[in-house]
Amino acid sequence: GAVVSQHPSWVICKSGTSVKIECRSLDFQATTMFWYRQFPKQSLMLMATSNEGSKATYEQGVEKDKFLINHASLTLSTLTVTSAHPEDSSFYICSARDLAGGSYEQYFGPGTRLTVT
Amino acid sequence: QQQVKQSPQSLIVQKGGISIINCAYENTAFDYFPWYQQFPGKGPALLIAIRPDVSEKKEGRFTISFNKSAKQFSLHIMDSQPGDSATYFCAASKYQGAQKLVFGQGTRLTINP
Repeated sequence: GAVVSQHPSWVICKSGTSVKIECRSLDFQATTMFWYRQFPKQSLMLMATSNEGSKATYEQGVEKDKFLINHASLTLSTLTVTSAHPEDSSFYICSARDLAGGSYEQYFGPGTRLTVT
Repeated sequence: QQQVKQSPQSLIVQKGGISIINCAYENTAFDYFPWYQQFPGKGPALLIAIRPDVSEKKEGRFTISFNKSAKQFSLHIMDSQPGDSATYFCAASKYQGAQKLVFGQGTRLTINP
C-alpha cells in the first residue's frame, strides 16, 4: 500500500523559534495533502489542504501566517510553525491521496510530536 | 452541519466479544464513511470504509453497518482481541472533490484478555 512518511517524528523547540515538518509520499504522487492537528486524547482537526503548485487552503480559525504550508513537489509538503509558543505543542499528522492509483483513500503519516518549551 | 458524533467515548469488551461503535452525521452531502484505527503515538490507519449504495460491508472481523435514512453508521468488531485495543475514529466526507474528512470524537477501545 501507499506509504506516507513524516520528519521529524518528534521535535522540541524553544518558544519564539520556528519548526518545519516534512510530509512525503514515498511511492506515489500526491497532488493533494492534508495537515491535521491532534491534542492528547482528542480527535483530529483538519488545519489545511495543501495543493501542489498552489496556495494551501486553511480551515476557519487556523492562522495562515503562523502555519506556513508549502507543497512544492508531488511528493513533498511542508508545514512550518512560525514563532512557536507552548500552546502550539501538539501532534501534527499529514495525509495524502493517491488519485493516480484509482483510490480515494487518504494515507496518513506517522505524525510529528511538537513540544514547545 | 459538519459534525460527526461518535459514541461511546470509551468501551471495554472481553476477549472474543463484539465491539460496537456508533456514529451519526448531519450533512446529507457526505457519501464516504471510513473508520480509522489509531495506536498511541501513531497516525491513523484505514480499517474499512463504506459508501451509501450499500447498507453493510464486511472485511474480516470488521463490519460497517450503514443506515442512510437515520444518517448513522456503526463499526462492529467480531471476536475482539487484545491487539484490537486502540482508539477508533469514524469519519465522513464527500467522495469526490477535496474529500475533507470530518472526524468523530474517537472511541478508546480496551479488550480485556
